[in-house]
Amino acid sequence: AQSVTQLGSHVSVSEGALVLLRCNYSSSVPPYLFWYVQYPNQGLQLLLKYTSAATLVKGINGFEAEFKKSETSFHLTKPSAHMSDAAEYFCAVSEMFSGGYNKLIFGAGTRLAVHP
Amino acid sequence: EAGVTQSPTHLIKTRGQQATLRCSPISGHTSVYWYQQALGLGLQFLLWYDEGEERNRGNFPPRFSGRQFPNYSSELNVNALELEDSALYLCASSLNLGPYNTGELFFGEGSRLTVL
Repeated sequence: AQSVTQLGSHVSVSEGALVLLRCNYSSSVPPYLFWYVQYPNQGLQLLLKYTSAATLVKGINGFEAEFKKSETSFHLTKPSAHMSDAAEYFCAVSEMFSGGYNKLIFGAGTRLAVHP
Repeated sequence: EAGVTQSPTHLIKTRGQQATLRCSPISGHTSVYWYQQALGLGLQFLLWYDEGEERNRGNFPPRFSGRQFPNYSSELNVNALELEDSALYLCASSLNLGPYNTGELFFGEGSRLTVL
């Protein structure tokens, strides 16, 4: 079964600093991978997704992630943090079922704090 | 285009009562997923419906149940409420693309259930 590990439940950065949120996955087949963001008291919004095209994926709000098969990683980065990036971030892997069905398995989440 | 809508936004119940949460998927989406997000426990998969059928169930007791209607909207029922059922319940929908499914989910804003 697929699984996702997010290293660091809390990450704190200064405004303007690099954001790096780590995600490692376990999958027996080439995976589909996702990063979602959740702002307080809201649902989840898709940031970006990897679906076996380019290994460097660009998403919304200046975020990007690189799929590294050799490291089974899909880390999320942003060159310069903004105060509005403060939120919880979830990495997810798609679990495949027969018939072409999928289910998303989420990591535990990383809460990003951005301070002035 | 309307997104995934959930109702009610907030619900307060007492132990032993029943709660019913509702979800309308994005138009054209046939799959509906329910996730529980309890404080400190991340996103836990509850139920998945597609074309009116329950396709998969997470590790939750039978008092968590649901159904999907012919218009693809869905209902989550929680019977005999316990204090630990207090959580944000997120509904998500997806488009069934057959062999091209990636598992991408579109989330609603959630229903916050408080059990006193």
